[in-house]
Parts: sequence; C-alpha cells; structure tokens
Amino acid sequence: AQSVAQPEDQVNVAEGNPLTVKCTYSVSGNPYLFWYVQYPNRGLQFLLKYITGDNLVKGSYGFEAEFNKSQTSFHLKKPSALVSDSALYFCAVRDLRGGSYIPTFGRGTSLIVHP
Amino acid sequence: DVKVTQSSRYLVKRTGEKVFLECVQDMDHENMFWYRQDPGLGLRLIYFSYDVKMKEKGDIPEGYSVSREKKERFSLILESASTNQTSMYLCASSSPGLAGGEQYFGPGTRLTVT
Repeated sequence: AQSVAQPEDQVNVAEGNPLTVKCTYSVSGNPYLFWYVQYPNRGLQFLLKYITGDNLVKGSYGFEAEFNKSQTSFHLKKPSALVSDSALYFCAVRDLRGGSYIPTFGRGTSLIVHP
Repeated sequence: DVKVTQSSRYLVKRTGEKVFLECVQDMDHENMFWYRQDPGLGLRLIYFSYDVKMKEKGDIPEGYSVSREKKERFSLILESASTNQTSMYLCASSSPGLAGGEQYFGPGTRLTVT
C-alpha cells in the first residue's frame, strides 16, 4: 500500500520567515501527491497536487511544494509566512483501493506562525 | 462554487442511540467518503462509495454502516453509538479523473456520545 509520513507534529515559524512542512512518501510506481490545509473548525481544503512534470508545484495562497524523487519527499513551502497560515496541514498520496483511486493521508502537521 | 454540506456541525447523542450523519455534494462526483478525525491520528477512512448503491470498507468500518441511494447523498450510520465514537466526522467527494482527483470536504460534524 502507498503511504506518506509527516515527521513533525508541529512547526513553529515567525511571521515573514520562510516555512517548510515536511512529507515523505512510500509508493510502488509513480506517486500522485497532494497537500491539504485545515483551518480551525473547518473541513480540509485542497492546496496543490503533483502528478507529473515540473518538480516545483504551485498552489493556492502562495504555497508551493517540491517533489524530490531521490529523497522520496514532497515538502510544502512558502517564502514568507503569515499568521493566517496557522492551520493543520495534511499530505496525501493516491492509493488504489477496491478498484478506485483514493488518497491516503498523513497524520497532519500543525503549523503555528508567530507574529 | 463547489459545495459539500453536512447535516449538522455539532451533535450530542446518548450511548446506544442510532445516529445518522448526512452528506450532500452538488458537483456530480462519483466518489464519496466518510472519515473520522482524531487528534494525533489524522484522518482515518471509514467507508467510501464509488457509485450509487456501491460501498467499500475503509480502515475502520467497525460500528458503522453507510447508505448511498442517490449520487449526491452519502449517509453514515452509527447503529448503536458508543463513547469511543466521539469524534469529528468529515465527508468528502471527488471525481475519479486521471489522478484520483482532489477531494472536496464538508465542514465536519463534531459528534459527542455521552
């Protein structure tokens, strides 16, 4: 089965500094990878995905993610963090289950941006 | 704007009650999902459906059942609620597409079983 790991439960960063939220994957074949964000008391929102092509994927709210095949990583990044970026972030990988492609999620990383 | 709605944001039920959680999507998506979210455990898949009247067990189906009679509606049923089913429940939908498609989530239902 495909899986992702988010090694950090929490990431703290000062406003204006660059941020990175880490994700590593384990797949057979080519990975299809996703990032989602969950703001307090809300459902998850799709941020970006990697299917193929350019290793740097741009998404919503100024976020981007870098796909690195040799390191089996798909880290989420933003050049300058905002307090409003404070949220729970989930990495996910496409998996084949019951004949359908569905995502398998990591455990999530809480991002806290300090003013 | 795409939308997934869930029948309740907050729900309090007693142990042993039968509980229905409803989810409706307006995007004509084939796939629908039910997850529960608990601190430190991330999202765990309970059931999913890839077509009307079709369902597949996820990772933690015990104590739950589902119903999908119409394409836009996917219901989660707790046959006899227990305190260990106190959790946040998230519904999602997606179109299969080439990559499985990104999911669209509802706002969640926070269920407390007392």
